[in-house]
Amino acid sequence: NAGVTQTPKFQVLKTGQSMTLQCAQDMNHEYMSWYRQDPGMGLRLIHYSVGAGITDQGEVPNGYNVSRSTTEDFPLRLLSAAPSQTSVYFCASRRQGTDTQYFGPGTRLTVL
Amino acid sequence: GNSVTQMEGPVTLSEEAFLTINCTYTATGYPSLFWYVQYPGEGLQLLLKATKADDKGSNKGFEATYRKETTSFHLEKGSVQVSDSAVYFCALSADKLIFGTGTRLQVFP
Repeated sequence: NAGVTQTPKFQVLKTGQSMTLQCAQDMNHEYMSWYRQDPGMGLRLIHYSVGAGITDQGEVPNGYNVSRSTTEDFPLRLLSAAPSQTSVYFCASRRQGTDTQYFGPGTRLTVL
Repeated sequence: GNSVTQMEGPVTLSEEAFLTINCTYTATGYPSLFWYVQYPGEGLQLLLKATKADDKGSNKGFEATYRKETTSFHLEKGSVQVSDSAVYFCALSADKLIFGTGTRLQVFP
């Protein structure tokens, strides 16, 4: 099992550009989520999904879109990047009914 | 609402020293409690967890006890190693996973 994979590992964008952060898991987990990690703020939940076709907002959803067309994939889209979105982004998954999350290696995004 | 408070870092120790990282929580109901570790350049890994009061989670020499009376889940290790240098996150699981701000541990030889 590869676990949770994320691409790219690093990305630099200019203000106003769009991009998609990819996340995939091969553990057949129902629950997937996106977090951002900022200094002194821990991890904050952006969006999550409890299964294919179902998504919901977390603590800091503004500026981000998600979709879940398959169990395996949960991409995060930035439609118009802003410097405030400079952060490290982590995708995570877990099996429904359990409480242990598995994290991907992260994507470090810089918006100039 | 639910929240987690951790001691601020960095915590700087010499090898073989005793480690305590404090964590307290606020929650309705009876959440599960976790410690995650993030090594440099990597994602978070589950270090240990406890699911009910008085449970003790342990792994790799680290321990934490779920104390309902003090709403705490302090992380301890008797003898740290340089390889333990990382950021440690306390977290609770209610309907969602809620993290503390993280504590950086630096261990010097």
